[in-house]
Amino acid sequence: AQKVTQAQTEISVVEKEDVTLDCVYETRDTTYYLFWYKQPPSGELVFLIRRNSFDEQNEISGRYSWNFQKSTSSFNFTITASQVVDSAVYFCALSEARGDTGRRALTFGSGTRLQVQP
Amino acid sequence: DTGVSQDPRHKITKRGQNVTFRCDPISEHNRLYWYRQTLGQGPEFLTYFQNEAQLEKSRLLSDRFSAERPKGSFSTLEIQRTEQGDSAMYLCASSLTRGGTGVGNEQFFGPGTRLTVL
Repeated sequence: AQKVTQAQTEISVVEKEDVTLDCVYETRDTTYYLFWYKQPPSGELVFLIRRNSFDEQNEISGRYSWNFQKSTSSFNFTITASQVVDSAVYFCALSEARGDTGRRALTFGSGTRLQVQP
Repeated sequence: DTGVSQDPRHKITKRGQNVTFRCDPISEHNRLYWYRQTLGQGPEFLTYFQNEAQLEKSRLLSDRFSAERPKGSFSTLEIQRTEQGDSAMYLCASSLTRGGTGVGNEQFFGPGTRLTVL
């Protein structure tokens, strides 16, 4: 069965520090998708990135970057030069594509709460 | 595009009462998902619809829970005989699938309905 582990429950950094949020996943499927979502204090989940299992290229979007490594089943998220507005809970999620029975829904990790202090 | 909306945003009820939540997805989205999120945890999948067909139900969805999407547009989630353990945030998400399995399509989340069972 699929599983997503975010071992870091809470991280606190000072503004402008870099921070990496870890995500480790388990799946028996060879085709799957990984996601990161942000949940700010307002509560609404905001999509950040999607990655499929065949694309191990790292991605950078502004201050955000993602490192996908199939060899270690990890999909880590780095925020460079963190800002107070980055304070939120961040979730890593997985969906599988096992033919017609592939799970369309997302399996989420338990989240990492990031607090960025001014 | 107004995004995914949910109503009500908050619901307080007494144990044993029935409650119903509504979700309006993004208008052209054919897939609709329900998740439940308890404090300090990631969202957990409950059920999903493709158009009006309910295609998957989680084991979390006990027989006290029922969901409908009668015309393939809005959806309702009803909980009968509520229990204190039902207290949680109920999240709705929608996505657009154009053929294929639709796995990996971005899910857009609503603000959620926070249920408190006294």
